[in-house]
Amino acid sequence: AQSVTQLGSHVSVSEGALVLLRCNYSSSVPPYLFWYVQYPNQGLQLLLKYTSAATLVKGINGFEAEFKKSETSFHLTKPSAHMSDAAEYFCAVIGVGNTPLVFGKGTRLSVIA
Amino acid sequence: DARVTQTPRDKVTEMGQEVTMRCQPILGHNTVFWYRQTMMQGLELLAYFRNRAPLDDSGMPKDRFSAEMPDATLATLKIQPSEPRDSAVYFCASGVGDSNNEQFFGPGTRLTVL
Repeated sequence: AQSVTQLGSHVSVSEGALVLLRCNYSSSVPPYLFWYVQYPNQGLQLLLKYTSAATLVKGINGFEAEFKKSETSFHLTKPSAHMSDAAEYFCAVIGVGNTPLVFGKGTRLSVIA
Repeated sequence: DARVTQTPRDKVTEMGQEVTMRCQPILGHNTVFWYRQTMMQGLELLAYFRNRAPLDDSGMPKDRFSAEMPDATLATLKIQPSEPRDSAVYFCASGVGDSNNEQFFGPGTRLTVL
């Protein structure tokens, strides 16, 4: 079955520091992978998605993610953290047979001034 | 600016009461999802519809939960009777076509069952 594992339920970085949120996937077919962000008291919002067109995917708000098949990873990065990036981030993969997304447990990002 | 709307935003009820949550998907979207989010379980898919037909509701406790789409502009999720363990935030999301397309989430309904 398709699944994703997010390493670290909570990540804390200083403002201006590199953000790295880790996601590893398990998929029996070439995966479609997503990162969503959830700000406090809001629904999820799409950051970016990988659909096999390019291994480096750029998203909104300066985030990007790189698909590495050999490592079964799809880590999310941002060169310089901003206070407004504080949120919960979810990695997700499409299920077998184009069934709905399977979400990871989420990683809460804190940004320290 | 098109967005998914959900009502109510907050609901506090007593155990045993019926709860109905409503969702208005974005106009033109033909796929609707219901999710439940808790600290312990994270984000769980309860049910989803395409073109108003239920495709999968295996994530729902069948004895107390029901989901319907009376028309293309309204999706409902009912719990009867409600239990304290149903306390969670319930999200509706809508999209177009297949699952590889973006899902647009509503703001959620925070349900507290006392």
